[in-house]
Amino acid sequence: GAVVSQHPSWVICKSGTSVKIECRSLDFQATTMFWYRQFPKQSLMLMATSNEGSKATYEQGVEKDKFLINHASLTLSTLTVTSAHPEDSSFYICSARAGQTYEQYFGPGTRLTVT
Amino acid sequence: QQPVQSPQAVILREGEDAVINCSSSKALYSVHWYRQKHGEAPVFLMILLKGGEQKGHEKISASFNEKKQQSSLYLTASQLSYSGTYFCGTLPMEYGNKLVFGAGTILRVKS
Repeated sequence: GAVVSQHPSWVICKSGTSVKIECRSLDFQATTMFWYRQFPKQSLMLMATSNEGSKATYEQGVEKDKFLINHASLTLSTLTVTSAHPEDSSFYICSARAGQTYEQYFGPGTRLTVT
Repeated sequence: QQPVQSPQAVILREGEDAVINCSSSKALYSVHWYRQKHGEAPVFLMILLKGGEQKGHEKISASFNEKKQQSSLYLTASQLSYSGTYFCGTLPMEYGNKLVFGAGTILRVKS
């Protein structure tokens, strides 16, 4: 099946620093990748849609200057949380779209803790 | 608009059956089902396309009623490993469609 990796799996950073999270599709090419945020016991909230070679499309209420997304190739998308604050602490999950039927496969997630 | 999932939570004993429902107010291209265990990412279970199809894998199956924009996930003879939160994701027919996830159904299977 389609495999998506995410790195790192967890990160602790200090307030004011930036953190980069990588998402890779390992055995397929993904023209579209998605970034989600999930708080405890809640559903997945789409932050942005990332298309290879073009600017990401952000959902309403998501600050594009704070959450920088780059989709440099068909297998790699990155999310950089800039000037992180404690309220940015969350579980960030990427997914990649595969196939003609728009199946989406999720990476293992990155747990970000900002102190 | 977020699809509505029901029930919010269900507790079963091993071997019992369960049904999880997902309903949307929009015309859908497909419905996607995922299971997420605590602290992990969602795992893809199956996708159902418009056309009213039904799919299954071992003891987990699902149906999609295109006319009602409703999907149901059927868990038969549940096992302990079925425990987790089940999310349906709906893909609208409209241009630029993106998966929209329901609030989730917590399933707990007890021995």
